[in-house]
Formats: sequence, C-alpha cells, structure tokens
Amino acid sequence: GENVEQHPSTLSVQEGDSAVIKCTYSDSASNYFPWYKQELGKRPQLIIDIRSNVGEKKDQRIAVTLNKTAKHFSLHITETQPEDSAVYFCAASIADNNDMRFGAGTRLTVKP
Amino acid sequence: GAVVSQHPSWVICKSGTSVKIECRSLDFQATTMFWYRQFPKQSLMLMATSNEGSKATYEQGVEKDKFLINHASLTLSTLTVTSAHPEDSSFYICSAGRLYTFGSGTRLTVV
Repeated sequence: GENVEQHPSTLSVQEGDSAVIKCTYSDSASNYFPWYKQELGKRPQLIIDIRSNVGEKKDQRIAVTLNKTAKHFSLHITETQPEDSAVYFCAASIADNNDMRFGAGTRLTVKP
Repeated sequence: GAVVSQHPSWVICKSGTSVKIECRSLDFQATTMFWYRQFPKQSLMLMATSNEGSKATYEQGVEKDKFLINHASLTLSTLTVTSAHPEDSSFYICSAGRLYTFGSGTRLTVV
C-alpha cells in the first residue's frame, strides 16, 4: 500500500520568512496530493492540492510542487504569518473517492 | 457544496459501554466514506472504508468486531465503538466525497 513520509516534524520560522515542508510517497499510481492544515481540536482543512498531471500550483502565499519521477511533493508558504501556525499534513491518494494516506504531520510555528 | 456533518462532537462514556458516531453527507451522496482515528499529536490513521450496501473494509490491525461500521444509505455511515476502553480514547473523524471533505470529528473519552 501507499506510504507517505513527511519532513520535518517540527518547523519554526520568523514571521515573514518562508516555510517548506516535504513529502515522499511510495505508490507510483498515486495521482492526487492534497495538503491540510489542522488547528488544535479541529478538522483538517484543505489548503491546496495538486494532481499528477501538473508540476506546480500556486494560491496566493501557498504553493505546491510535485516531482512524479522522484515521487515527492512539497508545500511552500511565503511571507509567513503567526496565524499560519498549525499542524500541516500531506496526503496521497490513487484516485478520486479512494482512501487517503497521510504523512505524519509538521508542526509549524511562526514567531512574531 | 460537499458538507459532511459528524455527531457527536465529543462524548464521554464509561469503560465497557458502546458509543455510536454518525457521519452524514448533507448535500451529496457518498457511496464510500472513510473513518480515521487520530491520537494526540499524531497523524490521521485510516481505520476503515465504509461502503454503502456492503461490508466495510478494515485496515490491518483494526478489529472489525470492535469498530462496527454501518453504511445503510448514501448519506449516512456510522461507527460504533463497542465495549470501549480507555485506550480507545481518541479523535475519530470521517471523510467523504470526491474532495475528501472531513466531518468535524468526535473526541471520545472513555473513563
């Protein structure tokens, strides 16, 4: 089955700096890669996603890159703000409506 | 669109009792729903895939007789934790739909 690894487990940056979180996956059939932000005690919120036919996607301060050959994808947050502090999870799935496998999570702290 | 409702949001039960958690898709039909468990400071771990009108598919290590899943309609899946014990205390969350919309989660505490 799919195995998703995520690094780093914790990340601390100064406000305004960039943050990068990296994930690798094992199943080459995976074609959907979402990123979730989870605040304490709340449900994961989808912040951005990318499909395997695209190499990069950007939404304001958030971008995701995908390298299918190397089977890794990354989340980039620019101009970080304290409200970006949360746990971020990457995930991978083979197809729509199929089960999702999550990375272990990255606790991001943005210091004012 | 794609709203998933989960109830209850939290529950405290005595050891040995059973607890039922509901997951509803409010504005779409879901032939498949997924149940996850999340322990404190850990990731979401897939427990089982709930299939409408048929048996659920359980992940390795998840006891199907302890975590009963019923998906009797296209909008409702239930997870029943039977004979709950303190080690079952966790955050249980469902997801459904093409974009994997999550329910709000249920924090179960077994005392």
